Amino acid sequence: DTVLTQSPALAVSPGERVTISCRASESVSTLMHWYQQKPGQQPTLLICLASNLESGVPARFSGSGSGTDFTLTIDPVEADDTATYYCQQSWNDPYTFGAGTKLELK
Amino acid sequence: EVQLQESGPGLVKPSQSLSLTCSVTGYSITSNYWGWIRQFPGNKMEWMGYISYSGSTSYNPSLKSRISITRDTSKNQFFLQLNSVTTEDTATYYCARYYPGIKYYFDYWGQGVMVTVSS
Repeated sequence: DTVLTQSPALAVSPGERVTISCRASESVSTLMHWYQQKPGQQPTLLICLASNLESGVPARFSGSGSGTDFTLTIDPVEADDTATYYCQQSWNDPYTFGAGTKLELK
Repeated sequence: EVQLQESGPGLVKPSQSLSLTCSVTGYSITSNYWGWIRQFPGNKMEWMGYISYSGSTSYNPSLKSRISITRDTSKNQFFLQLNSVTTEDTATYYCARYYPGIKYYFDYWGQGVMVTVSS
């Protein structure tokens, strides 16, 4: 299975720029997607196909990357962005998820 | 608006079967692909499988001998059955819709149902 590696946690101040990384153990082309999950809630789709912003998601969120290295950027970070962020690939079967990056605000 | 809602027992005994229902409103399950994903304590997520608009299925090989996904189109519901459960199947189970037209990511999720496997 394709392993997706994410940093476990980040802490930033409101107004700052934050990048969350996801590294795949093998190429996934651009079939990488990002979700936000707040405590006690289901995941919600933020970015699809590496860089496409889902409808209704603030333009503060952006995604980039291809192959094995991907980045989710939030600029500027707001207090409401406190959540865990997951990457998910759909190039290789079975689809797999990263372990999540917990974003905390200082 | 598309809505998904999981339901089923919150407690299952080891070696028994886990059975969950996903009720869909606002969209026909005879369109599109529909999946099950679970999230373990500690937050690791695992794609379990899907059922297509035509009723065909695909499963994670790690579960292939134990899992079955079926549907009832008259009720617009699809189901998960996982056999011979162990404590390692304790997780929150989500049903989700694949983005229409492609089978790459999930645009609508249910709220999830927590299932504990314990005697």
